[in-house]
Amino acid sequence: TQLLEQSPQFLSIQEGENLTVYCNSSSVFSSLQWYRQEPGEGPVLLVTVVTGGEVKKLKRLTFQFGDARKDSSLHITAAQPGDTGLYLCAGEPIQGAQKLVFGQGTRLTINP
Amino acid sequence: DVKVTQSSRYLVKRTGEKVFLECVQDMDHENMFWYRQDPGLGLRLIYFSYDVKMKEKGDIPEGYSVSREKKERFSLILESASTNQTSMYLCASSSMGRTEAFFGQGTRLTVV
Repeated sequence: TQLLEQSPQFLSIQEGENLTVYCNSSSVFSSLQWYRQEPGEGPVLLVTVVTGGEVKKLKRLTFQFGDARKDSSLHITAAQPGDTGLYLCAGEPIQGAQKLVFGQGTRLTINP
Repeated sequence: DVKVTQSSRYLVKRTGEKVFLECVQDMDHENMFWYRQDPGLGLRLIYFSYDVKMKEKGDIPEGYSVSREKKERFSLILESASTNQTSMYLCASSSMGRTEAFFGQGTRLTVV
């Protein structure tokens, strides 16, 4: 079974600070996705990274896929209270039959 | 606006009851999934389906069954609800050959 480990599991910081969330595995993935989930709602896709070393930016969020396609990071610059939520990484296994493997999530709280 | 709709946001059921969770998507997606989400465990796949009348076991199928009689509808059935099935249940869909998932708003099920 392929696993994705996210760290940290909980993060509480002040508005304006920067942060990085990590998603690591010993397995190689075809692609990796990041989702954000707000309380009482389902996860919403933020980005998909496909190529080793790929970097994608979404406003203040920067996503990177590791060169070996085993890990990914999410960096948020100048965090805002609206960034608060549960961030989930999800990997598409090489032989995954269109199924995703999810990390356990990082619960992020941005304090005004 | 594309949507995955779950029939209930909150459900309270008694131990031993048969429980039906319904999910409908309007995106003509071939793939549909049922996950359960528990704190610290991320999303765990219960069952999935790639086509009408097809179903595949996920990682934790015990105690559950599914039905997909129409392309847009995927039902999760708890044959005899138990307290350890108290959880958030999330339905998702994706198009053929893709893994990017669209989620419903979730059903928080409490079994008492």
